[in-house]
Amino acid sequence: DAGVTQSPTHLIKTRGQQVTLRCSPISGHKSVSWYQQVLGQGPQFIFQYYEKEERGRGNFPDRFSARQFPNYSSELNVNALLLGDSALYLCASSGGGSWTANTEAFFGQGTRLTVV
Amino acid sequence: DQQVKQNSPSLSVQEGRISILNCDYTNSMFDYFLWYKKYPAEGPTFLISISSIKDKNEDGRFTVFLNKSAKHLSLHIVPSQPGDSAVYFCAARNTGNQFYFGTGTSLTVIP
Repeated sequence: DAGVTQSPTHLIKTRGQQVTLRCSPISGHKSVSWYQQVLGQGPQFIFQYYEKEERGRGNFPDRFSARQFPNYSSELNVNALLLGDSALYLCASSGGGSWTANTEAFFGQGTRLTVV
Repeated sequence: DQQVKQNSPSLSVQEGRISILNCDYTNSMFDYFLWYKKYPAEGPTFLISISSIKDKNEDGRFTVFLNKSAKHLSLHIVPSQPGDSAVYFCAARNTGNQFYFGTGTSLTVIP
């Protein structure tokens, strides 16, 4: 049974460019969340989606956006990239009957984004 | 605003001994707490969790303790094994199912 899969695994972009990261949740999971992990820090919450609706947003600028598709996969978009956007971007999926269900989040291996 | 804190960036323990990793939080509305283990170049792996209505949860060598009055939780690993060497993250969930992570503690188990 496949876990959370993310693509690509590594990415190098230039300042000012736009990037799209992709995530496929565990089969049957309807909740997808995105996190940014900067070196030496813990993951920071960016977005949560459940049943294709945004359920939560962290303290990130409007350059960050996301969406969830009918098959529950998700994309994270970042516009006008800055050097400070260089980080590991993690996607996590959760099961449960509702978006507030008491369940753990299962993480993918992440996408390493480098902005030069 | 760091709502979940892990004040020890690193910990070294001899194989076979107990490892104790600590975590403090500030938001009394957190209702679910988790520990994740992370190896380099991998995403965090879920280890163990505890609901805010409990004060202890045990799973094999891993036990998590929650002290709500002190807003403190800890992870005990007994006995510690070299394969336990990794970065451990404490996480707390709010009622909106959003997870807040600490900065991690790097555990090294010395053979």
